[in-house]
Amino acid sequence: DAGITQSPRYKITETGRQVTLMCHQTWSHSYMFWYRQDLGHGLRLIYYSAAADITDKGEVPDGYVVSRSKTENFPLTLESATRSQTSVYFCASSPEPRGGGELFFGEGSRLTVL
Amino acid sequence: GENVEQHPSTLSVQEGDSAVIKCTYSDSASNYFPWYKQELGKRPQLIIDIRSNVGEKKDQRIAVTLNKTAKHFSLHITETQPEDSAVYFCAATGPNNAGNMLTFGGGTRLMVKP
Repeated sequence: DAGITQSPRYKITETGRQVTLMCHQTWSHSYMFWYRQDLGHGLRLIYYSAAADITDKGEVPDGYVVSRSKTENFPLTLESATRSQTSVYFCASSPEPRGGGELFFGEGSRLTVL
Repeated sequence: GENVEQHPSTLSVQEGDSAVIKCTYSDSASNYFPWYKQELGKRPQLIIDIRSNVGEKKDQRIAVTLNKTAKHFSLHITETQPEDSAVYFCAATGPNNAGNMLTFGGGTRLMVKP
């Protein structure tokens, strides 16, 4: 099916381990985003990407790394996971270049760091 | 940067009653204000949006109003139904924000009692 997909949907890991969350979209949207969702904080932007090989920090980038070698993929890596990174992570994409338009979210990846 | 505050954090209404969720924003340059609905365990999805050149927008039982002077906007749901039960997020972005980079409010959990 066309759309935006995330994997894995659920992940349990230990403190200090490296974890990569995958995001793939089939719409050829130029913009892609990673948000984390925590109770009481809504959705907070971690990183975003305007196009292949162009990425930039969001509100809460510390402890995360992203890359975008292809337009359709935008993986998020936790290089050394911490308990505070336990969260639900949403990838999203948007065709809009600037200033308004719908975000299309993936189904989310629930990460637990023990 | 933009700061979006959302109230209340939880809202319980009787089926058939109206529900109102309010958000304030800090950046006077913001000009796009979407509302997303997230059902339990699902991804956020856009339900309605409004741009700053419009004061009100309606779509069947939902409406959004915008007061640019006061920098606040509200979601109104009339004749609530049990399927309206979800978490609702407001968001804001401005013309200078690349790729529709939204700032979200903290969310409102709406419970509609049958």
